[in-house]
Amino acid sequence: EIQLQESGPGLVKPSQSLSLTCSVTGYTITSGYDWSWIRKFPGNKMEWMGYISNSGSTNYNPSLKIRISITRDTSKNQFFLQLNSVTTEDTATYYCATGLHYFDYWGQGVMVTVSS
Amino acid sequence: DIVLTQSPALAVSLGQRATISCRASQSVSISRYNLMHWYQQKPGQQPKLLIYRASNLASGIPARFSGSGSGTDFTLTINPVQADDIATYYCQQSRESPPTFGGGTKLELK
Repeated sequence: EIQLQESGPGLVKPSQSLSLTCSVTGYTITSGYDWSWIRKFPGNKMEWMGYISNSGSTNYNPSLKIRISITRDTSKNQFFLQLNSVTTEDTATYYCATGLHYFDYWGQGVMVTVSS
Repeated sequence: DIVLTQSPALAVSLGQRATISCRASQSVSISRYNLMHWYQQKPGQQPKLLIYRASNLASGIPARFSGSGSGTDFTLTINPVQADDIATYYCQQSRESPPTFGGGTKLELK
């Protein structure tokens, strides 16, 4: 079974970069699927941020395009999120997830607070 | 972006039917494919896929969950509602990028 696990700091200062890791077990990220980051804001709004495909191409939400980067380390079967120039509005629970068109598998999520 | 609209909350009694709706700002159907999906999320947990492509039950999901709809109007039905179903339910479309989610419907007990 595919399992995903997010890791990273829970507190980031405004204007700095948010960096998260998603570790995948039970499936090789180069074998198939797109590997996404999704966030849920306080108040329940959910936003798809972007994905890295099994071939390594990326697709980002236009609302984040100038601030986001998703990369991967295939040797570790991990993919990464970097979000630059964060503000308090980036405070959210961040999930990694995978699937084609819909999201079959999700990590547990990591809560990130942007605060000085 | 395609906007998905859900009612914020729905109150139901245990053993009754719950009908949760999701309306899209434009059609999310292509040919015979209805690209709307449903998730359940409980507090402190990740979302769980319930229904994909409008009416297909995801693996391991009980048959009391069902989905229907096409075009812009979709429905998730839970019948009968059990205590374990108290959660927030989200719709999500994959017709156009970026994929978008509804605001969620919180299922509450009467």
